[in-house]
Amino acid sequence: GQSLEQPSEVTAVEGAIVQINCTYQTSGFYGLSWYQQHDGGAPTFLSYNALDGLEETGRFSSFLSRSDSYGYLLLQELQMKDSASYFCAVRGGNNRLAFGKGNQVVVIP
Amino acid sequence: NAGVTQTPKFQVLKTGQSMTLQCAQDMNHEYMSWYRQDPGMGLRLIHYSVGAGITDQGEVPNGYNVSRSTTEDFPLRLLSAAPSQTSVYFCASSSDSKIDEQYFGPGTRLTVT
Repeated sequence: GQSLEQPSEVTAVEGAIVQINCTYQTSGFYGLSWYQQHDGGAPTFLSYNALDGLEETGRFSSFLSRSDSYGYLLLQELQMKDSASYFCAVRGGNNRLAFGKGNQVVVIP
Repeated sequence: NAGVTQTPKFQVLKTGQSMTLQCAQDMNHEYMSWYRQDPGMGLRLIHYSVGAGITDQGEVPNGYNVSRSTTEDFPLRLLSAAPSQTSVYFCASSSDSKIDEQYFGPGTRLTVT
């Protein structure tokens, strides 16, 4: 099966940096992805890592260590619009996505 | 492109009633999924399909049926609604070469009384 662990809530000021961690257990591994969801909205795809290392997309970066079954999403230069829930999702050998419970980020002025 | 569309947006059912949640996508995606989202539980996979005529169970399939007769449509049927099925339901699609990059519909908020 698949399982993921994510801490629950983070509050940070505008302009700060936030790191959201994700550890996972899965049989087989294809990749780790990250999604953002604003209150009342649908999840939207942010980034994907299949190999070890850092992927950068604008203010957001995602990191993966396959040997540690661990990844993180780094949100830089936080803006008010970044207040949302962030989910990691792992695709295992069964070729299905399993989502973590999410981490709520609250950005304050 | 409309992307992924879902109907209805809101629905209230009585226990024991059946209904179908509609999902359609116009991106020619092979891979489609249904998730339910409950407070504090993240997204849980109900059923998924890797192409027309092929469906498989996810993490929480009991009480739900799906079919995939066309690439575009992937309806979810609740056979006999129960209060435990009160949730927000999301349909998603992706190409089979980028399964991890899923596009989500706006969701259906279902209440079963």
